[in-house]
Amino acid sequence: SQQGEEDPQALSIQEGENATMNCSYKTSINNLQWYRQNSGRGLVHLILIRSNEREKHSGRLRVTLDTSKKSSSLLITASRAADTASYFCATDSRRWDRGSTLGRLYFGRGTQLTVWP
Amino acid sequence: NAGVTQTPKFRVLKTGQSMTLLCAQDMNHEYMYWYRQDPGMGLRLIHYSVGEGTTAKGEVPDGYNVSRLKKQNFLLGLESAAPSQTSVYFCASSKGRTGELFFGEGSRLTVL
Repeated sequence: SQQGEEDPQALSIQEGENATMNCSYKTSINNLQWYRQNSGRGLVHLILIRSNEREKHSGRLRVTLDTSKKSSSLLITASRAADTASYFCATDSRRWDRGSTLGRLYFGRGTQLTVWP
Repeated sequence: NAGVTQTPKFRVLKTGQSMTLLCAQDMNHEYMYWYRQDPGMGLRLIHYSVGEGTTAKGEVPDGYNVSRLKKQNFLLGLESAAPSQTSVYFCASSKGRTGELFFGEGSRLTVL
């Protein structure tokens, strides 16, 4: 399966601490994206990192990508209670099917982050 | 600017009944997707569309049909609902093939 797999499945920290989540995948990718989902809501895009990039920042978010290890990490610095949510990585496969690239992402099962006040 | 809107938000069906979930986007996106989310399974792609009048199967298409008659709408149909189709369904859209997905708020379906 192309599906990304997040690790750990659940993470519990105190406000102010940093939270690190990892994602591993199996095949070559065009890009990798991270999404956030608050309980009972839809997913919201956080950040996209392309296969030729190694690190990207957005506010308190830092994403790294190691294509040789087929892995990515999402770091949330100085976490807040409002960061409590599920975080998903999604990989965009390089795979071709019947001569055309497929327009789809493969999502992992997510990491449930709980930040205690 | 509403983004991606799904209707209905909740629905309870009996086994064998049919229904249609509607997804509408106002961002003029070419790509639209239907995912289902089950506990411990993450999101799985059911069907997707790369433009008006086109649809394609995803990872778990069995038991579902879709239509994209208008660019802004993507319909997901269940012809004969089964308890295994109890899930939360998410519609998403994107401008291009490799870009950011915009999700709706989800439709929670229970099949008894």
